[in-house]
Amino acid sequence: DIVMTQSPDALAVSLGERATINCKSSQSVLYNSNKKNYLAWYQQKPGQPPKLLFYWASTRESGVPDRFSGSGSGTDFTLTISSLQPEDVAVYYCQQYFNTPFTFGPGTKVHIK
Amino acid sequence: QVQLVQSGAEVRKPGASVRVSCQASGYTLTEYYLHWVRQAPGQGLEWMGWINPKSGSTYYSPKFQGRVSMSRETSISTGHMELKNLRSDDTAIYYCARGIIDIRGLLAWLDPWGQGTLVTVSS
Repeated sequence: DIVMTQSPDALAVSLGERATINCKSSQSVLYNSNKKNYLAWYQQKPGQPPKLLFYWASTRESGVPDRFSGSGSGTDFTLTISSLQPEDVAVYYCQQYFNTPFTFGPGTKVHIK
Repeated sequence: QVQLVQSGAEVRKPGASVRVSCQASGYTLTEYYLHWVRQAPGQGLEWMGWINPKSGSTYYSPKFQGRVSMSRETSISTGHMELKNLRSDDTAIYYCARGIIDIRGLLAWLDPWGQGTLVTVSS
């Protein structure tokens, strides 16, 4: 199984400041034939199901604010919130869909400093 | 709009079984895979498996193999997940999620997700 790790476990950021979340996979999730990274990011607010933010590691889902960005390739990925807003308080998960079983990172909790 | 609506909360005793349902609307059930993911209280997300509603084929995570069964009723656009021989550590919110297929026919991301069904296992 591909093991996903995330850092940090939790992050306190002042409103308007940048938040950076890292995700690492135990093996590459880059599919060579199409040069796509089989990685998604989800946001989960308290009491809600996860919501898709990015797929192919960096393709923003429709409706996701552009202060969110996804980057990385191979085994190392980053989710960045350029200017943290109150509604961004949530847990963020990365997930690989390169292989079954699909696996998620343990999550990074973002809150306001 | 595309939506997945799940059945209500369940309480079971250890050793029993539970079936959770997930009704799709706004799209054709058979055109996408249906995945199941669970989340224990205060914990992260754990993927359980998928069903191809068109063919009925399934893939289960090895962790759940032998205890889980996924099925569908296409006439009512509904998928089901049954978990048997429940233990206290199966207490969790169970989510269904639509599985996107990429242009090459490979499994891809999950979107959207159902609202979740809380299953409590307690004696």
